[in-house]
Amino acid sequence: EVQLVESGGTLVQPGGSLRLSCAASGLTVSNNYMSWVRQAPGKGLEWVSVIYTGGSRYYADSVKGRFIISRHNSKDILFLEMNSLRLDDTGIYYCARGGGVYQLDHWGQGTLVTVSS
Amino acid sequence: EIVLTQSPGTLSLSPGERATLSCRASQSISNSYLAWYQQKPGQAPRLLIYGASSRATGIPDRFSGSGSGTDFTLTISRLEPEDFAVYYCQQYDRSPMNTFGQGTKLEIK
Repeated sequence: EVQLVESGGTLVQPGGSLRLSCAASGLTVSNNYMSWVRQAPGKGLEWVSVIYTGGSRYYADSVKGRFIISRHNSKDILFLEMNSLRLDDTGIYYCARGGGVYQLDHWGQGTLVTVSS
Repeated sequence: EIVLTQSPGTLSLSPGERATLSCRASQSISNSYLAWYQQKPGQAPRLLIYGASSRATGIPDRFSGSGSGTDFTLTISRLEPEDFAVYYCQQYDRSPMNTFGQGTKLEIK
């Protein structure tokens, strides 16, 4: 059974940094496209970033230059390093298997990031 | 960037009725790379349909997807109480920039 468990979300001040983690079981992170999707309070879903099996990384324009997606291959962990955080980065961050030309077929439960002074 | 527009914004129906949700794309989606997700309050989204019409594992057959090009539909043949939720469409044709529709809220009438 595939399980994805996010962690690392917390309250952070504008301009601050945070690293989210997504621990995977039942799948090998490096053998799958893996994505981050976020959801602002009361709003819809927004794709944030994807890392391909070959290591290519892509970002939404709203986070490009501020966020970095990476993975720890031997530990099956996906990361999202978030820098220069802004108020509109507030929301629940989900990791999911898929992205690119693949549907998002497994999702974690999400971790809440709150950017506020 | 492909913009997805879902309609209606809110759909009020009763259990047992048929629900028809629409997703329209600003450009043609090739390979039918369109998915539908269900999200209940406090929960993560769940994949229902991929490839425009293929049901994901464990999804009841009352859920069906159809369409091609720019017009796609999610149909729930007979609504069960647990089907009332928010539904999102997503295109994964123009990768890596996947985009979601704004969602349709299906509420109990």
